[in-house]
Amino acid sequence: RKEVEQDPGPFNVPEGATVAFNCTYSNSASQSFFWYRQDCRKEPKLLMSVYSSGNEDGRFTAQLNRASQYISLLIRDSKLSDSATYLCVVNMPNTGNQFYFGTGTSLTVIP
Amino acid sequence: DTAVSQTPKYLVTQMGNDKSIKCEQNLGHDTMYWYKQDSKKFLKIMFSYNNKELIINETVPNRFSPKSPDKAHLNLHINSLELGDSAVYFCASSHRQDSYEQYFGPGTRLTVT
Repeated sequence: RKEVEQDPGPFNVPEGATVAFNCTYSNSASQSFFWYRQDCRKEPKLLMSVYSSGNEDGRFTAQLNRASQYISLLIRDSKLSDSATYLCVVNMPNTGNQFYFGTGTSLTVIP
Repeated sequence: DTAVSQTPKYLVTQMGNDKSIKCEQNLGHDTMYWYKQDSKKFLKIMFSYNNKELIINETVPNRFSPKSPDKAHLNLHINSLELGDSAVYFCASSHRQDSYEQYFGPGTRLTVT
């Protein structure tokens, strides 16, 4: 099993739609979880951290389910500018606290 | 002001050559990283340095040798380049070794012909 797995998509949604991505991780001892965003031919950038109690930042909501070892990202009222690849990132405590990136989920918001 | 910069941005070279990619960060961070992103977009860590000391060295061919002359710089030298080395190489930095937010450079697109 890969350390971090994501559905690669692509997800093609109309403007204004709500879309959700899931990500599963293999190490039950992982403590830190994040979503990064990567635009085409650009570098990844931190979108938001994922807290145990769930957290929201505007139209974006992140959730953590430790029992099932997955995190999710919900985007409401999708904008054209949300089109990008969303990378799930998880720390692995038994590897020097290294961070593992998922392969990303591609989102295209259509006018 | 560019936080994490890499040079060159594009690198096209022939098999068997030796090349270097340079990375500099002006954020005052202690930890720097090299990642490789292949054609399938999988971003995998190669090396991590904390205050010029190597802390992570993933299973990478020893043709790849990182060098950190000071904590603001982490260069990557690649010997005897192979076709499979073609990828985008990202440098990143973070405040500390266990900091969650990593700041990435713009990437170096390496093509080996």
